[in-house]
Parts: sequence; C-alpha cells; structure tokens
Amino acid sequence: NAGVMQNPRHLVRRRGQEARLRCSPMKGHSHVYWYRQLPEEGLKFMVYLQKENIIDESGMPKERFSAEFPKEGPSILRIQQVVRGDSAAYFCASSPRVRLAGILNEQFFGPGTRLTVL
Amino acid sequence: GDSVTQMEGPVTLSEEAFLTINCTYTATGYPSLFWYVQYPGEGLQLLLKATKADDKGSNKGFEATYRKETTSFHLEKGSVQVSDSAVYFCALVTGNQFYFGTGTSLTVIP
Repeated sequence: NAGVMQNPRHLVRRRGQEARLRCSPMKGHSHVYWYRQLPEEGLKFMVYLQKENIIDESGMPKERFSAEFPKEGPSILRIQQVVRGDSAAYFCASSPRVRLAGILNEQFFGPGTRLTVL
Repeated sequence: GDSVTQMEGPVTLSEEAFLTINCTYTATGYPSLFWYVQYPGEGLQLLLKATKADDKGSNKGFEATYRKETTSFHLEKGSVQVSDSAVYFCALVTGNQFYFGTGTSLTVIP
C-alpha cells in the first residue's frame, strides 16, 4: 500500500506565476489535510477536505489560495500570483476517517512539496 | 487558543546519551497528544501518542507521558543512536485540527 504521494517534490516559480501542488492520499483514505511549514516554524494547518467538500479552511489565506479534492484524482492546492513569502514546504496528510472511537485519527503525511518563489 | 510549545533546538548529543525534549500545551477540553518525527527530506511519521491523562506512549525506545497537572508531554529516550537524528514535533489534536509545535532538531554524533 503506497503512502501519501505528493508532486512535485520541488517547485520553483517566479513572482506572479501560479503554483499547483498535488496530493494523492493513501488508498482508502477520504480525508485530506494541507499544512504549510515556513522556515524555522512548525506546521500550520491550512485546510481540511473530504471528497468534493471543503470541511475547514480556517487556516488558509483568504486570497490567492484555493484547494480542492475532486471525486476522482488527487487533491490540489493552488496558489495564484505567488509572492516570495509563499516559499515554504507544503505537506499533505490523509486519514481514513476523522475519528476512531471518538479520537481524532492519526494522519499519514506525504514527503512534502518545497516551493521556492524567485 | 490551543497551542503547543516545544523546547528550542538544535540539540546535539553523543551516541548513548539520554534525551529529553520538552513539550507543554495549552488546550480547552481533553486533547490527544502526539510526537511526530521528520527525517531529512521526508514527511512526518507518527512516533507515539497518548489519548488521556497519565497514558504513556512508547515506540522505538522513545517514551512520553501525558501529564495533565503540568500540561506536558515530554519526549525521552534513554540511549540515543545516530539514526535518531531528525526533527521531532509535538502535536495536540482537539476538535478537527492538529496543532504542531515548531519542531526540535536533534543531531546525534558517534
């Protein structure tokens, strides 16, 4: 069973371009989470999605950022008109269900996409 | 709001030394607590977890005890190895979100 896959692993964009980050959850997982890790900082929650639904996007900037998890295919985190401050590692995690016996289920992380904005 | 505070690194230890990485938390309700490890170039992997007060999580020689009275979940290992070199993240979950600490980098030298 393959783990969570993210691509590309490294992405370089110039200011003003668009960045598209892809995440394929583990087989059988229908819950996807996106996190951002800035240099010298911990992981910050961005958005939580289930198939075709955004459940919680409280951590995502209101402008330029969007996320989707279509019925078929990977989850996409899209950043429009990138700026230098968007340079970070973006991690995707998946879980089979939100809660098991009332406890939030373990999340399985992908290797991340390292975005560099020139 | 809910948050996790980890001891700052980097931490450098000699092989077979004792390791403690401090973690304290602030949360409403009764969170579950986790330690994740991140090896270079990889994503986070769950190391251990505890879901209620006084629980002890353990894995690969690492241990952490959920202390409600001190709101702590310190990570310990009695004898570290070079292969333990990584970044360690303390995390809590409450509601639908995980909250991660800033991470503590550990380097173990032979």
